[in-house]
Amino acid sequence: EDQVTQSPEALRLQEGESSSLNCSYTVSGLRGLFWYRQDPGKGPEFLFTLYSAGEEKEKERLKATLTKKESFLHITAPKPEDSATYLCAVPNQAGTALIFGKGTTLSVSS
Amino acid sequence: NAGVTQTPKFRVLKTGQSMTLLCAQDMNHEYMYWYRQDPGMGLRLIHYSVGEGTTAKGEVPDGYNVSRLKKQNFLLGLESAAPSQTSVYFCASSYDRATDTQYFGPGTRLTVL
Repeated sequence: EDQVTQSPEALRLQEGESSSLNCSYTVSGLRGLFWYRQDPGKGPEFLFTLYSAGEEKEKERLKATLTKKESFLHITAPKPEDSATYLCAVPNQAGTALIFGKGTTLSVSS
Repeated sequence: NAGVTQTPKFRVLKTGQSMTLLCAQDMNHEYMYWYRQDPGMGLRLIHYSVGEGTTAKGEVPDGYNVSRLKKQNFLLGLESAAPSQTSVYFCASSYDRATDTQYFGPGTRLTVL
């Protein structure tokens, strides 16, 4: 069964305290891994797509990396405005839909 | 471009009532999706459409119907609402396949009493 698991469920950081979020998946024949950010009361906002092991993408304080079985979202020197829920998703084996993880809720305090 | 829009933003229904949620996109995307998001459950696909006039079932389709009469619109219907359908509903669209980036609307918060 295709699955996406994110850890931790929640993460509290102090401003400037770097950390990483994990997304592991079991779907075979990966056709992309997607990272989204979701603020309370809003829809998910696209951040990155990674397609092959070893690929990295960066946006401001965020860097996403991909291995054959998992992806990491590294947050460097976070700020309170980085507080949000981060979702990852992969296409199902049939390629008809995205399977989402349950997300990691990040809280950054000043 | 407005992207993906959803109406209404909030709705309260009584058990047994019916309603339709409207999703519109102005990006000329072929694929459109309806998800529901519940605490602890993540986003789950209800129905999707691969083009005008087509629909298909997702992971949790029971109790919902959809229609895609125009390429830019995707409607989600609840014929007889139940408290278990209390949720936040998101519409999304992607260019021409499910493995493309999906862009989401702002959501509809539905409460069924």
